[in-house]
Amino acid sequence: SQQGEEDPQALSIQEGENATMNCSYKTSINNLQWYRQNSGRGLVHLILIRSNEREKHSGRLRVTLDTSKKSSSLLITASRAADTASYFCALRSNDYKLSFGAGTTVTVRA
Amino acid sequence: SQTIHQWPATLVQPVGSPLSLECTVEGTSNPNLYWYRQAAGRGLQLLFYSVGIGQISSEVPQNLSASRPQDRQFILSSKKLLLSDSGFYLCAWTSGLGGQETQYFGPGTRLLVL
Repeated sequence: SQQGEEDPQALSIQEGENATMNCSYKTSINNLQWYRQNSGRGLVHLILIRSNEREKHSGRLRVTLDTSKKSSSLLITASRAADTASYFCALRSNDYKLSFGAGTTVTVRA
Repeated sequence: SQTIHQWPATLVQPVGSPLSLECTVEGTSNPNLYWYRQAAGRGLQLLFYSVGIGQISSEVPQNLSASRPQDRQFILSSKKLLLSDSGFYLCAWTSGLGGQETQYFGPGTRLLVL
């Protein structure tokens, strides 16, 4: 199964700034999901976007999906220190499984 | 509400020793269950998944095995650990019903094989 590729690998921003990370993939998907992982913890689901959707919002999060370019972006607006974490995109094809990328590590400086 | 437990939280084992990691889910029935391994600073590698009792699918050939003796219990085992088995092991569940596709993760077990 395919994996998403996140870009950049790491991102350091000042508190209050926006953070944008991207995920690219190669074959068709059923949906794409974003997860957050705080250091040494399990993953927490953030948002799911289906293949027929183009944009979704959840609080300070905005996710876009461009199926023609096979890419998605996650935007965190007005970042906070608590947003410091690794962010993963996960691809769902037509089976029970999710394929995770290597993640983007975000550091928010106070 | 649903909760997922993993234990132990941390484990240090010598090479060649056996392994048993346990994952249990509460508050749901017939979940799909997953075992992942995460190397330091890396993404998640799916090891096994199960859609029902006694039904195990293996994703990669390895030194590990999985079992599902009860509906909400998923066990990861090894008869003889290798150094390369070190990592962070995560259990996750998703509803077995259609339309629920979010995966819910346990807190993880950090395994160090020496």
